[in-house]
Amino acid sequence: DAKTTQPNSMESNEEEPVHLPCNHSTISGTDYIHWYRQLPSQGPEYVIHGLTSNVNNRMASLAIAEDRKSSTLILHRATLRDAAVYYCILTRDDKIIFGKGTRLHILP
Amino acid sequence: EPEVTQTPSHQVTQMGQEVILRCVPISNHLYFYWYRQILGQKVEFLVSFYNNEISEKSEIFDDQFSVERPDGSNFTLKIRSTKLEDSAMYFCASRITGLPYNEQFFGPGTRLTVL
Repeated sequence: DAKTTQPNSMESNEEEPVHLPCNHSTISGTDYIHWYRQLPSQGPEYVIHGLTSNVNNRMASLAIAEDRKSSTLILHRATLRDAAVYYCILTRDDKIIFGKGTRLHILP
Repeated sequence: EPEVTQTPSHQVTQMGQEVILRCVPISNHLYFYWYRQILGQKVEFLVSFYNNEISEKSEIFDDQFSVERPDGSNFTLKIRSTKLEDSAMYFCASRITGLPYNEQFFGPGTRLTVL
């Protein structure tokens, strides 16, 4: 499975936008870019996914670089509830291989 | 909103005992998974299951582990003879198809403590 690189941790202030980066320089043409998050003491939760184009949903936006070697998850207005570990994952089959993710701290 | 449920939320067992962890996937989903997360570590894939058989399993999923869909709603993970190192959170997940762009829905997990 292609590898992703994320910062170990990030901090953001409440009610401000958050940009979570992910590098995936070895991505292949059939890999989808998925983001999941894991709130404290909970199971992972789907956030968003994309292939080539930028994507928006009710939770977040996903900006994908033109060469697909990096992507950014954007939380438009972070709340305390968004404090979690965010995983950037490349998928080409049905299983998910989790990395260490980015632990996002939200400051009130 | 439909959700994946898991029981029990916490299971304590003695080393060498058998445990069965139970999951009820979302009703129209066809693909089922087990993952585990040892405290402070990554979430690890264990096994995927489709059409009443294992599709793929990881190196962790050795002969001590088995999965079953005994009826139309439950999906179980059995650990035959538990070891101390089996202590972890176990997450069940399901998805509607096996296509890589479909999201997986995870349950809240069962915390297994092996003494």
